[in-house]
Amino acid sequence: AQTVTQSQPEMSVQEAETVTLSCTYDTSESDYYLFWYKQPPSRQMILVIRQEAYKQQNATENRFSVNFQKAAKSFSLKISDSQLGDAAMYFCAYRSRDDKIIFGKGTRLHILP
Amino acid sequence: GAVVSQHPSWVICKSGTSVKIECRSLDFQATTMFWYRQFPKQSLMLMATSNEGSKATYEQGVEKDKFLINHASLTLSTLTVTSAHPEDSSFYICSARAIEKGHQETQYFGPGTRLLVL
Repeated sequence: AQTVTQSQPEMSVQEAETVTLSCTYDTSESDYYLFWYKQPPSRQMILVIRQEAYKQQNATENRFSVNFQKAAKSFSLKISDSQLGDAAMYFCAYRSRDDKIIFGKGTRLHILP
Repeated sequence: GAVVSQHPSWVICKSGTSVKIECRSLDFQATTMFWYRQFPKQSLMLMATSNEGSKATYEQGVEKDKFLINHASLTLSTLTVTSAHPEDSSFYICSARAIEKGHQETQYFGPGTRLLVL
């Protein structure tokens, strides 16, 4: 069975600084998708970034980028130029071949003004 | 991007009553929808996979007679919590997988429904 591990329950970063959220996963599949979702206080799940496992190039979306290390089964999220609106719960997620999404326990990110 | 709605956004009910939660894909068709449950300060746990025109597939430990799922059309799935009890109080979130090419790898999430059983 696939598992997703986020080892940082909470993190804080100064506004405008860069922060990296860690995620590791375990799977025996070779083809899968990885995601980072943001859940603000409204609790609406918002897709931040996704990575296809067969693509070697790391995904980037504006200030958000990932460091995908397939062999190490690591998928970290880097947020550059942190903004107050980035404060939220961030979930790393794995989508298996049967479309089920498995979420990590989440990392709560605080932005310090 | 694709939009998924849920109704109601919050509901309070008495113990023993049944509650129905609707999940709709507003601008796309979804053959598959998923229902999650999220306890306070915890992650999302998949409850079941809802397939249009067929029976839902429940995750281990989820009572199918307790949580009835119906996926009557390509844009609507419903979750009915039968004979609700206080321990069923939670935040329920649905997601929908688009069938259009280009969206297939993404699930779009609804805004969630907060259920409080008194």
